[in-house]
Amino acid sequence: EAQVTQNPRYLITVTGKKLTVTCSQNMNHEYMSWYRQDPGLGLRQIYYSMNVEVTDKGDVPEGYKVSRKEKRNFPLILESPSPNQTSLYFCASSLIASSYEQYFGPGTRLTVT
Amino acid sequence: KQEVTQIPAALSVPEGENLVLNCSFTDSAIYNLQWFRQDPGKGLTSLLLIQSSQREQTSGRLNASLDKSSGRSTLYIAASQPGDSATYLCAVQSGNQFYFGTGTSLTVIP
Repeated sequence: EAQVTQNPRYLITVTGKKLTVTCSQNMNHEYMSWYRQDPGLGLRQIYYSMNVEVTDKGDVPEGYKVSRKEKRNFPLILESPSPNQTSLYFCASSLIASSYEQYFGPGTRLTVT
Repeated sequence: KQEVTQIPAALSVPEGENLVLNCSFTDSAIYNLQWFRQDPGKGLTSLLLIQSSQREQTSGRLNASLDKSSGRSTLYIAASQPGDSATYLCAVQSGNQFYFGTGTSLTVIP
């Protein structure tokens, strides 16, 4: 089944404790992206990757890191999480950046206390 | 910077009614516009993708139109059903980035 998977689905952590949210797709997609969704603000793009080893900042990259060592995986890293990073996070992928629809993962609900 | 607005924020209609959801964007230099559905606690499901060169796309009871020059898109849902109750989001691609509206929460009353 073609899909985007994220792990964990739910995470409660404390300020400053490094964490990684994994994202994997099995559709051989070139483009992958991370978003956060907050009430009243909608989805905002954090980072995106056009292809392996190519990543770029979205609108809200502060406090986040990403890497794209393999085409299928695009982990999101929070080196020192803070309470304002409490949010619902989505990973998405598409065949290429333009002309093709994005497929979304199920989301990761992160709470930082 | 691209800004995407969706009006209304919430909409409640009786079953069977036809309805229109609106999406507007500030920069007409887009590659495409995509409509999504989001159910509570779930991810986003793609409904329709309209390329910048297209005027509309149809899928079943859904029809999406795009007027790039005026920065507007509409999602038309025909003969609404209770199962259509969800939040509907539109997103535009400008350059390599995607910009989302805050969504319209639709409730279809049986």
